Amino acid sequence: SQQGEEDPQALSIQEGENATMNCSYKTSINNLQWYRQNSGRGLVHLILIRSNEREKHSGRLRVTLDTSKKSSSLLITASRAADTASYFCATDAGTGGFKTIFGAGTRLFVKA
Amino acid sequence: DTAVSQTPKYLVTQMGNDKSIKCEQNLGHDTMYWYKQDSKKFLKIMFSYNNKELIINETVPNRFSPKSPDKAHLNLHINSLELGDSAVYFCASTMAGAHTGELFFGEGSRLTVL
Repeated sequence: SQQGEEDPQALSIQEGENATMNCSYKTSINNLQWYRQNSGRGLVHLILIRSNEREKHSGRLRVTLDTSKKSSSLLITASRAADTASYFCATDAGTGGFKTIFGAGTRLFVKA
Repeated sequence: DTAVSQTPKYLVTQMGNDKSIKCEQNLGHDTMYWYKQDSKKFLKIMFSYNNKELIINETVPNRFSPKSPDKAHLNLHINSLELGDSAVYFCASTMAGAHTGELFFGEGSRLTVL
């Protein structure tokens, strides 16, 4: 079964706007990660938030984690056309890194 | 230097054939994975290996046989290919442990079964 579910499935915004993507998961986790995938490429790690953290920032990225609701959000501020990609959340399902499970992903289109 | 490299990048073959995909990482990681990404971009874990030992096998048909000759290599052999095997296969690696988790991915191997 799929551990993470993301919404929206697709998001189209103008350059300069903020983009928010949400992720829900089912089981207990040690950490939650967000990855980015450009078309035709492999996934690239963006940010990791541990289960005892509530918010984390990295440049234009802001991630929140609500373990009571089993949900996380990724906010990209001041989006750029180069941010166009698919974004995936991933959890370790409490396995210590041996089984990282990905959500279905959100496709973000940033129009110049 | 490419951190996680997969070969071949593209593979087109007929149903019933057998094919292999190779993966190598030069990051010194101890855990490697194979993931399958379908046409809807859904990414599903297939196998994970830690120090050459199989840790996770996600009910993948036994036509798929991974092999890890050493910690830096994880290959995937597929027998009797079926149409439904068409997908992009990603290799990834990490250092396992409670305080790490970042996966490093290869660029993918796109398999098309005709």
